[in-house]
Amino acid sequence: AQSVTQLGSHVSVSEGALVLLRCNYSSSVPPYLFWYVQYPNQGLQLLLKYTSAATLVKGINGFEAEFKKSETSFHLTKPSAHMSDAAEYFCAVSPYSGGGADGLTFGKGTHLIIQP
Amino acid sequence: DAGVTQSPTHLIKTRGQQVTLRCSPKSGHDTVSWYQQALGQGPQFIFQYYEEEERQRGNFPDRFSGHQFPNYSSELNVNALLLGDSALYLCATRRADSMNTEAFFGQGTRLTVV
Repeated sequence: AQSVTQLGSHVSVSEGALVLLRCNYSSSVPPYLFWYVQYPNQGLQLLLKYTSAATLVKGINGFEAEFKKSETSFHLTKPSAHMSDAAEYFCAVSPYSGGGADGLTFGKGTHLIIQP
Repeated sequence: DAGVTQSPTHLIKTRGQQVTLRCSPKSGHDTVSWYQQALGQGPQFIFQYYEEEERQRGNFPDRFSGHQFPNYSSELNVNALLLGDSALYLCATRRADSMNTEAFFGQGTRLTVV
């Protein structure tokens, strides 16, 4: 069975500050890991995905994440927060690499608040 | 190119009633997955349809059923509604020719059961 745990249901940062959203996974097989963003009243949008090609993954909107097998982590970062980054962020794990929404298991989400 | 469209956007139903939600895939997509997102939670996988058949199913009771039509659109049906069925229902679509294709999510249908 696969699962993800997102640490912190709410994270607040100042505009221009570093964003760090934490995700730890549990998987009995090599995991494929994803970060999605959900803006209010919107569906989910894929930010980035890890499919074993490279441990540091760059995504859209300046976000990146690093896969650390020894720590079973896949934390999401952005060097400088922008007001438009305020949203709900979900970490997810899947046995399939494409992010194709096949059997994704999501964490509970982290609400990112950007302070002006 | 229209993305994934879901209808209706919102609806209110009474306990015990039945509801049907609809999803039209993005152009070129033929695989549809449905997710339930309760308030404050991450989405949970309900089931997936391809070639008009249910291919995968999550841990949801038989009250949840679906259908896929020849034009690849899909319906999610929920019978004997419970208060706990109140949630945002999302569909996600992708091309079936590879597992390695990105899925696109619709904006969801907000179901409230009273």
